[in-house]
Amino acid sequence: GQSLEQPSEVTAVEGAIVQINCTYQTSGFYGLSWYQQHDGGAPTFLSYNGLDGLEETGRFSSFLSRSDSYGYLLLQELQMKDSASYFCAVSRSGNTPLVFGKGTRLSVIA
Amino acid sequence: GAVVSQHPSRVICKSGTSVKIECRSLDFQATTMFWYRQFPKQSLMLMATSNEGSKATYEQGVEKDKFLINHASLTLSTLTVTSAHPEDSSFYICSAQSSGANVLTFGAGSRLTVL
Repeated sequence: GQSLEQPSEVTAVEGAIVQINCTYQTSGFYGLSWYQQHDGGAPTFLSYNGLDGLEETGRFSSFLSRSDSYGYLLLQELQMKDSASYFCAVSRSGNTPLVFGKGTRLSVIA
Repeated sequence: GAVVSQHPSRVICKSGTSVKIECRSLDFQATTMFWYRQFPKQSLMLMATSNEGSKATYEQGVEKDKFLINHASLTLSTLTVTSAHPEDSSFYICSAQSSGANVLTFGAGSRLTVL
């Protein structure tokens, strides 16, 4: 089986930095992805880690530690538009469907 | 970049009717597409894996006779909710992975409301 744990809600101030953690248990692991979903919208891809370490894409960074079965998404210089749900997702191989965590609802406040 | 088109975006139907949702990969070929369902404020739950030219693979607990999936070409998969009931009301989202990419591209989703 597979399970992913991430906080259900996070609140942060505009301009600040927030980190959303994700731990996973899975039989077979290929990579960890992060998706953003605004209310009523579809998930959009943010970042992917197949190897240990940090991946940086603009204001967003993602980290993976395969030995710890742990990763996080780091959002810097928070903007109000970053208020959304963020999902970590695990793939077991290069062409298998993603299994999603329950999502973290981020609220950015002024 | 890869684009997935999903139609319709919203549909309201009466209980007992069938609804078809289309998912197209616009600029790439997708031998495999994935169908997810999402209830309000919940995560995306994989329903089935749609394979071009063969039968879909359904997740445990998903009725294959109720959720018919057809993947007739490399760019089109359809999900038909047969004899829909109010409990089938949900957000249905398809996704596809272009060859060699580690990214799933999602359609815009279809919000189904069954009265």
